[in-house]
Amino acid sequence: RKEVEQDPGPFNVPEGATVAFNCTYSNSASQSFFWYRQDCRKEPKLLMSVYSSGNEDGRFTAQLNRASQYISLLIRDSKLSDSATYLCVVRGFGNEKLTFGTGTRLTIIP
Amino acid sequence: NAGVMQNPRHLVRRRGQEARLRCSPMKGHSHVYWYRQLPEEGLKFMVYLQKENIIDESGMPKERFSAEFPKEGPSILRIQQVVRGDSAAYFCASSPAAGPTTFYGYTFGSGTRLTVV
Repeated sequence: RKEVEQDPGPFNVPEGATVAFNCTYSNSASQSFFWYRQDCRKEPKLLMSVYSSGNEDGRFTAQLNRASQYISLLIRDSKLSDSATYLCVVRGFGNEKLTFGTGTRLTIIP
Repeated sequence: NAGVMQNPRHLVRRRGQEARLRCSPMKGHSHVYWYRQLPEEGLKFMVYLQKENIIDESGMPKERFSAEFPKEGPSILRIQQVVRGDSAAYFCASSPAAGPTTFYGYTFGSGTRLTVV
């Protein structure tokens, strides 16, 4: 079983729609959780950290369920510029290493 | 404040040659991480270094790959006798010293795309 699993997509979503991504992780000792986005042939960029209480940044909302080892990302009112691959990322306890999912590809259609 | 700088951006090597990838961390950052992204795959951790020390090399292939972060100068990822399977994007990231409650993710450089022909 992969340490971090994501639906690879692709998700093709009309502009303005709401889209949700899910991710599961296998190590219950994982401590920190993130969503990164990666544009084609570019470096990953931190989108947001994910907290147990849930957190929101503009149109983006992230949730963490430790009991189910499940992380989600919700994008509301999607824009063309949201087209990218979204990476679910987990950090272990006392460990500087990040473990990446393979990513979910999102395309926003005009 | 410049970000994480990697060079070269693109590197072409023939099979059997050596590849040297360089990474200069952000100013004030003492931790460097190398990741590799094979085509159509996610990023995989390779090695974590602090100045003059390798902290975690659990993701490094056992042969041909080495990394260093000297007291002065950039971190270097070195691949000897490259093979076609080494073709990938190699990303470097840096962070300041962090503890369990002060980790906010880290910033990646723009990567080096290695092509082995």
